[in-house]
Amino acid sequence: DIQMTQSPSSLSASVGDRVTITCRASQGISNYLAWYQQKPGKVPKLLIYTASTLQSGVPSRFSGSGSGTDFTLTISSLQPEDVATYYCQKYNTAPFTFGPGTKVDIK
Amino acid sequence: EVQLLESGGGLVQPGGSLRLSCAASGFTFSTYGMNWVRQAPGKGLEWVSGIIGNGGSTFYADSVKGHFIISRDNSKNTLYLQMNSLRAEDTAEYYCGKATGPYSSPGKDGMDVWGQGTTVTVSS
Repeated sequence: DIQMTQSPSSLSASVGDRVTITCRASQGISNYLAWYQQKPGKVPKLLIYTASTLQSGVPSRFSGSGSGTDFTLTISSLQPEDVATYYCQKYNTAPFTFGPGTKVDIK
Repeated sequence: EVQLLESGGGLVQPGGSLRLSCAASGFTFSTYGMNWVRQAPGKGLEWVSGIIGNGGSTFYADSVKGHFIISRDNSKNTLYLQMNSLRAEDTAEYYCGKATGPYSSPGKDGMDVWGQGTTVTVSS
């Protein structure tokens, strides 16, 4: 099965900073990748699918890129409400594995 | 409004069984693949199982293959997860999730709607 990794596992940044999270698949998955945000105590929320398509209602400061094995989620200007754990998920074929998550907080 | 509502969680002894349900509303249920995702306390998300819209194909994580069964009743707009031979490591919050894209794999374009979750605790 394809394994998903994320880096870093956690980060701390200032409000207004540009934040980049990386997700890597152990084999190519084309662009079959989604990103989710999970705030503390809340249900996960879909941010991006097909690696770069912004889900309806998601702020434009979020963006995704990549194809094959390497993907990134970028927050162009970190806001206090972005404190959360971010997960990537591959969905080309089952199992639809999640990455281990990246915890983002405010410095 | 599109909604998913899980039920059926609880405390069960090791080796026991539980059946989770996920009641869907606000969309054409039979059109979409559906999934179960779990999250152990303090841990990350783990995809558990998925099923296509007509129920004809099912998919499982290796960790649950052979002891969980996913099914759906499109006449009742309800998704199920039958969990057998439960182990301590199955303790988690269980979420159902709707595939974003219709008429396709349960993974199609991720999961755009999630339920609030139901808690399963396996302990003696």
